[in-house]
Order: sequence, then C-alpha cells, then structure tokens
Amino acid sequence: NAGVTQTPKFQVLKTGQSMTLQCAQDMNHEYMSWYRQDPGMGLRLIHYSVGAGITDQGEVPNGYNVSRSTTEDFPLRLLSAAPSQTSVYFCASSTPGLARQETQYFGPGTRLLVL
Amino acid sequence: GNSVTQMEGPVTLSEEAFLTINCTYTATGYPSLFWYVQYPGEGLQLLLKATKADDKGSNKGFEATYRKETTSFHLEKGSVQVSDSAVYFCALSEGGDYKLSFGAGTTVTVRA
Repeated sequence: NAGVTQTPKFQVLKTGQSMTLQCAQDMNHEYMSWYRQDPGMGLRLIHYSVGAGITDQGEVPNGYNVSRSTTEDFPLRLLSAAPSQTSVYFCASSTPGLARQETQYFGPGTRLLVL
Repeated sequence: GNSVTQMEGPVTLSEEAFLTINCTYTATGYPSLFWYVQYPGEGLQLLLKATKADDKGSNKGFEATYRKETTSFHLEKGSVQVSDSAVYFCALSEGGDYKLSFGAGTTVTVRA
C-alpha cells in the first residue's frame, strides 16, 4: 500500500491564481480530511468528507473548495490564491471501523507559497 | 468547543535526558487523546493514543496517561536519543467525530 499520497510536494503561486492539491489513498478509508499547518498554530481543519459525495466544512474553509467523487481521491481547490494561504497542507484518512478510536493516516504534505 | 494546549517550545535536550511535554485539553464530553510526531521533512504519524480515563498509551519508549481529573495527557520519555528530534503534537477527537483538534506543536531537539 502506498498509503496517503499528495501532489505536488511544493508549489509557488501568484496572488489570484487557482490550483488543485491532489490527495489519494489506497486503504479504502471512508473518512478523508485536509489540514493546514502554520507556525505556532498546529494543524487546522479545512474540509472533510465522511464518504464519496459527502463533504463538510472544518475550522478554516474560506477560500478552499473540495469534492469527493470517489473513495480514493479528495482534491483541495484554491479558487483565488492569497498570501494568507501560504502554508503546508496535509491530507489525512481514516476508517470508521472503531469510530473515534481510529488512527488517522497523514500524507507527506504540500508546501505552498503564494506571492 | 474542543481545544488543546501544549507547552511551548522549542525544547533542547542532551542525549539520555528525560523529556516531558505537557498537554491539557478542554472538551465537552469524553475525548480520545493522541500524540502525533512529525520528523523533519515528513508528514505526521501517530505516536500513541488513549481512549478512556486512566489509559496509558506507549510506543518507542514514550508514554502518556489519560488523566480526566486534571484534563491532561502529558508525554514522557525517560532517555531521549538524537533520533527523537521532531515536532510533537497533542490532539483530541470527540464522540463519533473524526475531526482532530491539535495543539500548536512542540519542537524537540536532542543533541549528542
């Protein structure tokens, strides 16, 4: 199993540009989520999905869009990039097999710089 | 709402020293508690977890005990190694919810 994969590893954008961060998992996990990591603030939840066709907002959803057409993929779209979106983005997945006791599996991250 | 407070870093230690990272939480119910570790240049990985009061999670020489009376989940290791240099995150999830609430993270550097 590859686990959770993310592409690209690093991206530079200009203000106003749009892009999609890709996330895929091969563990047949129903739950997937996106976090952003900023210095001194830990990880904050952007959006999450409990299954294909179902998404919901997390703590900091503004400026981001998601969709979940398959179990495997959960892309994150930046509609119009802003310098405040400079961050490291992590995708995670989990299974509801043991509900809240389950471990979440994180991808390696995408480092985004918005100029 | 849920929140997690970790001791601020950075923390610098010598090899074989004792490590403690304090973590306290606020939750409305009975959360599960986790410690995640992020090694340089990598994503987060689960270090240990505890799902109910008085449970002790342990892994790789690290331990943490779920203390409901003090709402704490402090991480300890008796003898650290250079390879333990990383950022450590305390986190919680509550109910049937998979959403994790993270602390700010504590950077630990171990010197030979």
